[in-house]
Amino acid sequence: GAGVSQSPRYKVAKRGQDVALRCDPISGHVSLFWYQQALGQGPEFLTYFQNEAQLDKSGLPSDRFFAERPEGSVSTLKIQRTQQEDSAVYLCASRAGELYNEQFFGPGTRLTVL
Amino acid sequence: KQEVTQIPAALSVPEGENLVLNCSFTDSAIYNLQWFRQDPGKGLTSLLLIQSSQREQTSGRLNASLDKSSGRSTLYIAASQPGDSATYLCAAQYNQGGKLIFGQGTELSVKP
Repeated sequence: GAGVSQSPRYKVAKRGQDVALRCDPISGHVSLFWYQQALGQGPEFLTYFQNEAQLDKSGLPSDRFFAERPEGSVSTLKIQRTQQEDSAVYLCASRAGELYNEQFFGPGTRLTVL
Repeated sequence: KQEVTQIPAALSVPEGENLVLNCSFTDSAIYNLQWFRQDPGKGLTSLLLIQSSQREQTSGRLNASLDKSSGRSTLYIAASQPGDSATYLCAAQYNQGGKLIFGQGTELSVKP
């Protein structure tokens, strides 16, 4: 399994619940991105890590969204007090480093908030 | 604001047709432009990447062009096949190491 993996693949939450989405990047990849894709739309940038440092979180829609990558490998996107508008596919992508262009995407986690 | 737009949102063609998908971007100071394919329930697969210094890239039946001055890119698919049915997304990158800004995608259906 050399690709980016994400878990769970599907998550159903009741409004107000907290959720945690996991991303396992390609081994050795330095850069990690999170994107949010609403139904029928293109992905939108949420946040970016270089190793364990979160260099850009300008796309996080509210302070209910929090991402971390404490050891510079696995990353977790946490959403607190989920709302219906949070329903989307959350995509993770990794890249070998800043000097490389290609981002490799995982299959995504489809979050449905009821 | 840096925006990427794709038209049409959906396209249906008979098998064997050549077709063109369009992508436009508002800021011409682009670092590179990428085309992706997305199958239902799947992640994104990179198809072609065009650096800002390049005019086009080719891979098999796919050819992507980049015209920075007009803010446009096209993806040409030759001799389309039912297996080409998917959503095609273009994405602009504006600096080395930067995030991707995606269009809304074109959902392509190739009928046998």
